[in-house]
Amino acid sequence: AQSVTQPDIHITVSEGASLELRCNYSYGATPYLFWYVQSPGQGLQLLLKYFSGDTLVQGIKGFEAEFKRSQSSFNLRKPSVHWSDAAEYFCAVAATGGFKTIFGAGTRLFVKA
Amino acid sequence: EAEVAQSPRYKITEKSQAVAFWCDPISGHATLYWYRQILGQGPELLVQFQDESVVDDSQLPKDRFSAERLKGVDSTLKIQPAELGDSAMYLCASSPRDGTSGANVLTFGAGSRLTVL
Repeated sequence: AQSVTQPDIHITVSEGASLELRCNYSYGATPYLFWYVQSPGQGLQLLLKYFSGDTLVQGIKGFEAEFKRSQSSFNLRKPSVHWSDAAEYFCAVAATGGFKTIFGAGTRLFVKA
Repeated sequence: EAEVAQSPRYKITEKSQAVAFWCDPISGHATLYWYRQILGQGPELLVQFQDESVVDDSQLPKDRFSAERLKGVDSTLKIQPAELGDSAMYLCASSPRDGTSGANVLTFGAGSRLTVL
């Protein structure tokens, strides 16, 4: 069965510092991988996705993520965090063929001035 | 920009009462999802529709929850009777038809926050 693990419940970084949010997945084949962001009281917004091809994918708002098959990981990175990046970030995995998308428990990002 | 519409945004009810949530997906999106998100957790899929057919409802508590998408467009999720543990955000999402460009990319609505007293 598919599963997603986000080891960090919350992370605090200083504004301007770099960020890496960790995500590990479990799936028998190469899945579709996603990162979504959720602001308080709102729905989720897609940051980026990996389906195939180049393992380093670029997303919106300056985010990128790298798929590492050997580590079953899909970590999210940003070189310089802005205060507006404070939100909850969810990693997700979907089986190929349009089947259900499974979400991790999320990582809450706090940004300090 | 096209959006997924949900209503109501907030609902407060007493346990044992009935509640209903409505979702209007992005026009042309064949796949519609209802997720439940308990505070501090990730979204959990309750039911997935392809057009008017249920594709997956394995996590839907069928003794009290029901969902329908009669004409393959908008959808309603009902809870009867509501229990204290149902307090959560109910998120609707949609995506293009399986096998088409953008399938598996979910667009979410703003959600319906349910509080059961």
